[in-house]
Amino acid sequence: QVELAESGGDLVKPGGSLRLSCAASGFRFDDYYMNWIRQAPGKGLEWISDISSSGKTKKYADSMKGRFTISRDNANNLLYLQLNNLRAEDTAVYYCARGRYYGSGSHFDYWGQGTLVTVSS
Amino acid sequence: DIHMTQSPSSLSASIGDRVAITCRASQNIGTYLNWYHQKPGKAPKLLIYSASSLQSGVPSRFGGSGSGTAFTLTISSLQPEDFATYFCQQSYSAPFTFGPGTKVDIK
Repeated sequence: QVELAESGGDLVKPGGSLRLSCAASGFRFDDYYMNWIRQAPGKGLEWISDISSSGKTKKYADSMKGRFTISRDNANNLLYLQLNNLRAEDTAVYYCARGRYYGSGSHFDYWGQGTLVTVSS
Repeated sequence: DIHMTQSPSSLSASIGDRVAITCRASQNIGTYLNWYHQKPGKAPKLLIYSASSLQSGVPSRFGGSGSGTAFTLTISSLQPEDFATYFCQQSYSAPFTFGPGTKVDIK
């Protein structure tokens, strides 16, 4: 069965950095786009970024472009999100999600359990 | 960016009730609209994609309709496990924005 497991969340000071990982299993990882989505405490969902199956194409939400970097290691079925220059408003649970892309549409059919990033001094 | 709204923001309903949640997009998104629900402390779960296609394994009491800028998620007969927060999400263009959510709780 499809499983996604995030790790790397931690308490970090403002201005700090963190790398999140998502280990995928139960499907052919290099056949799928992958996404990062976050949810601040008690708030809604915010899409962060996606990466194509090969890793060549990446998209970002404007508010995170330049500070966050998505990447993947298809040999080891791993997805990453590098978070730099963190701010208090980046405090959230970060989810990885598998993307099903077709024509111009897509959806997120499997999600990990999330990893908590807390930015505070 | 495409802005998504939902109504109501919350509703109270009883087991067996028919429930409808509305989602509106700030521009025409065709049928590139997905629905998820989320229980406290858990990850969201896909229910409906492409406005009206039922995700595999999701009970048939869930249905989706609409196109363009107005969409509806309907639960034909509310069950105990359906008490959750429901989100719509557009996949027409990045950034793939979500609605603010509709919390469904027990009356």
